[in-house]
Amino acid sequence: NFVLTQPHSVSESPGKTVTISCTGSSGSIVNNYVQWYQQRPGGAPTMVIYEDDRRPSGVPDRFSGSIDRSSNSASLTISGLKTEDEADYFCQSYNSGNEGVFGGGTKLTVL
Amino acid sequence: QVQLVQSGAEVKKPGASVKVSCKASGYTFTDYYIHWVRQAPGQGLEWMGWINPHGRGTNSAQKFQGRVSMTRDTSISTVFLELSRLTSDDTAVYYCARVGPAGAVGGFFDNWGQGTLITVSS
Repeated sequence: NFVLTQPHSVSESPGKTVTISCTGSSGSIVNNYVQWYQQRPGGAPTMVIYEDDRRPSGVPDRFSGSIDRSSNSASLTISGLKTEDEADYFCQSYNSGNEGVFGGGTKLTVL
Repeated sequence: QVQLVQSGAEVKKPGASVKVSCKASGYTFTDYYIHWVRQAPGQGLEWMGWINPHGRGTNSAQKFQGRVSMTRDTSISTVFLELSRLTSDDTAVYYCARVGPAGAVGGFFDNWGQGTLITVSS
């Protein structure tokens, strides 16, 4: 049973850099691409990173994604934090049966 | 532009069924898989399943098998999610999401519907 684990919450000051991790429970996280979604209160999720490290048009280059094979984890890094980045962030991938899997979500506070 | 517009909020009694619609526009409907994701109040995102609008194939998470049905009507570019034998645990916002790239079953959710709140209460 493939599970993605994220920290429950992170906080950082405006202008700083924060990294959110997403660790796979079994197998290898590199077997399928990882996506990251931002969800502001009351809104639908929006994609900020796809296929591990690609950024959709319209997403600022302050957002970046990476994979660390040695720790079987993916990371979302946001630099130059702005108050508007305050949101929940979810990582997402697939298991071996092509079923979607989401991480539990990380609440980012920018204070 | 790509849009997914879902049906409105509903209140259902335990044991009932609900059918949520998701109308697509701005792209060729049959070229992209649609997935369904739900979010209980204050909780995370939960993947439910997918439908291939081109060939009708579907797949759902094991926990929903036997009480979920995903269908589509290509004449109106709309997919439907029907969930039966509702309990209070099914109270959630239900989202449809388009998967890119075209033709990929397990890709990225590049466009989402606005969500439909389903409340199950006696």
